[in-house]
Amino acid sequence: LAKTTQPISMDSYEGQEVNITCSHNNIATNDYITWYQQFPSQGPRFIIQGYKTKVTNEVASLFIPADRKSSTLSLPRVSLSDTAVYYCLVGDGAGLTGGGNKLTFGTGTQLKVEL
Amino acid sequence: GAGVSQSPSNKVTEKGKDVELRCDPISGHTALYWYRQSLGQGLEFLIYFQGNSAPDKSGLPSDRFSAERTGGSVSTLTIQRTQQEDSAVYLCASSFPFGGPNTGELFFGEGSRLTVL
Repeated sequence: LAKTTQPISMDSYEGQEVNITCSHNNIATNDYITWYQQFPSQGPRFIIQGYKTKVTNEVASLFIPADRKSSTLSLPRVSLSDTAVYYCLVGDGAGLTGGGNKLTFGTGTQLKVEL
Repeated sequence: GAGVSQSPSNKVTEKGKDVELRCDPISGHTALYWYRQSLGQGLEFLIYFQGNSAPDKSGLPSDRFSAERTGGSVSTLTIQRTQQEDSAVYLCASSFPFGGPNTGELFFGEGSRLTVL
């Protein structure tokens, strides 16, 4: 499984754009990149997933360079409620390998948004 | 139910006792995961079930830990002879298998907080 490296923490202010970068140098061809968000006392929640280039949904954007050795989660105009831990995961999919889908969470990035 | 259900939500036990934690996944989800999260830490993978395949037990920390999934649905995580270091939140997640329109998104329960005195 590809190992991921993220900053331990980040601070921001309301209304700013936040970019969290994750390194995954040994990502495999079949691996997808998925980001989760976790609030205190809750289980993680899926944010976005991508394979290459750029993916955007109503919550965030995910930028993946051509070599796929890193990815950047972009949160536009953050608010206090975006204060959470953000996890970057890399893993393959059952549909591609037939071997199942096992995702490993790292320690994540603690984002703190202030007024 | 609409989401993943875990019980009990809180469990306090004495060192040396056995505990069972239950997970009811979302109906139709073939994949089921157990994770452990200690205070202020990330999620530690424990075990993974996918359909009728043999479970991936590679994350279980010791032979005191075991899990089963009956009928491809409900799962029970059992910890025998609990130790203080077993204190953590145990999270269960379920998903459709990755592929086609499915991203393999994990849906987590609220967790079972275990405290071993």
